[in-house]
Amino acid sequence: GENVEQHPSTLSVQEGDSAVIKCTYSDSASNYFPWYKQELGKRPQLIIDIRSNVGEKKDQRIAVTLNKTAKHFSLHITETQPEDSAVYFCAASIARFYFGTGTSLTVIP
Amino acid sequence: NAGVTQTPKFQVLKTGQSMTLQCAQDMNHNSMYWYRQDPGMGLRLIYYSASEGTTDKGEVPNGYNVSRLNKREFSLRLESAAPSQTSVYFCASTGTGRETQYFGPGTRLLVL
Repeated sequence: GENVEQHPSTLSVQEGDSAVIKCTYSDSASNYFPWYKQELGKRPQLIIDIRSNVGEKKDQRIAVTLNKTAKHFSLHITETQPEDSAVYFCAASIARFYFGTGTSLTVIP
Repeated sequence: NAGVTQTPKFQVLKTGQSMTLQCAQDMNHNSMYWYRQDPGMGLRLIYYSASEGTTDKGEVPNGYNVSRLNKREFSLRLESAAPSQTSVYFCASTGTGRETQYFGPGTRLLVL
């Protein structure tokens, strides 16, 4: 089955800096790649997604890039703010969802 | 439109006790899922139901059973709880395109 790996597991950045989280997947048939943000004690919530026929997608300070050849996709957060502090999960979807193990992002004011 | 709801929010069980976690969605979604979340291990799929009347095992099905009662409801049962089942359980659903996945608020389960 599909295997999704996510790095780094923890990430600290200064407020205003950029943060990048990377994921790799193993099954070239995966065709949908969402990113979720989970605040402490809350449910995961979708923040951005990308389909396999698109290379890049942007929504304000958040962007996702997909390299199908290399089978990896990344989340980019620019101008980070303290409220961006959370755990971020990537996932790959083929028939069902396969999640990475999460990245705990801390934005230092 | 409540989205995905779960009951109970918290539960403490003794080893060997049984319980059922309830999940319902009001978005007319076909697919529903049960995950468990443990520190450092992300979201692991227990069981899922691609449509009413079907269920399939995920990565960690041992010790659990599920029932897709109707299109709205998908329950998870622990027949004989074990301390290793202490976790946060999330139910989720997706629509026909199996894309955007919506999560419930979670159930925190402690097995003593």
